[in-house]
Amino acid sequence: KQEVTQIPAALSVPEGENLVLNCSFTDSAIYNLQWFRQDPGKGLTSLLLIQSSQREQTSGRLNASLDKSSGRSTLYIAASQPGDSATYLCAVPRYGGSQGNLIFGKGTKLSVKP
Amino acid sequence: DGGITQSPKYLFRKEGQNVTLSCEQNLNHDAMYWYRQDPGQGLRLIYYSQIVNDFQKGDIAEGYSVSREKKESFPLTVTSAQKNPTAFYLCASSIVGPPYGYTFGSGTRLTVV
Repeated sequence: KQEVTQIPAALSVPEGENLVLNCSFTDSAIYNLQWFRQDPGKGLTSLLLIQSSQREQTSGRLNASLDKSSGRSTLYIAASQPGDSATYLCAVPRYGGSQGNLIFGKGTKLSVKP
Repeated sequence: DGGITQSPKYLFRKEGQNVTLSCEQNLNHDAMYWYRQDPGQGLRLIYYSQIVNDFQKGDIAEGYSVSREKKESFPLTVTSAQKNPTAFYLCASSIVGPPYGYTFGSGTRLTVV
């Protein structure tokens, strides 16, 4: 059974710091992994999607890596800003790749202090 | 602009009442999903549909019902059998097949009064 874990559950950093959010999954036979951002009381916004054949994806100050063999992904945020404050969730397909039914981690709540 | 629209944003339900949450998408996605989000519990799958007139139960389907009569629409009914319905409900859609990138609606917050 696929399980997704995110550590830490919460993180507070001063503005300007580089930071890493972690995501681990128990079944390495995944087709892809997706990172989302959720602002309080809002829906989820897709940040990055990494295919199993890729090692990393970049979008602006965000860089996500994927290591299937170890069951881990990291989301790197460079030069953090107060506007980055949100909850970040990772998700993988429930059954590896046979359908798009996603399993989510519980998220890391990030607070960036000015 | 393409996207997913959930309505209403806030919904209040009295004990014993059925309520229906709306989800409409204009992304031409075949698959649609309903998730429930509770504090500290993450997102849990209620129902999903990969094609019109067909849907499957997720992890917590008891007390909920859905229909998929049109590709664009996937309404969720919270029935009186759902004993603890207060939560944030999120609708999502995707293409059927890789890469399965999800698009989410803005959510409906349901409160029992």
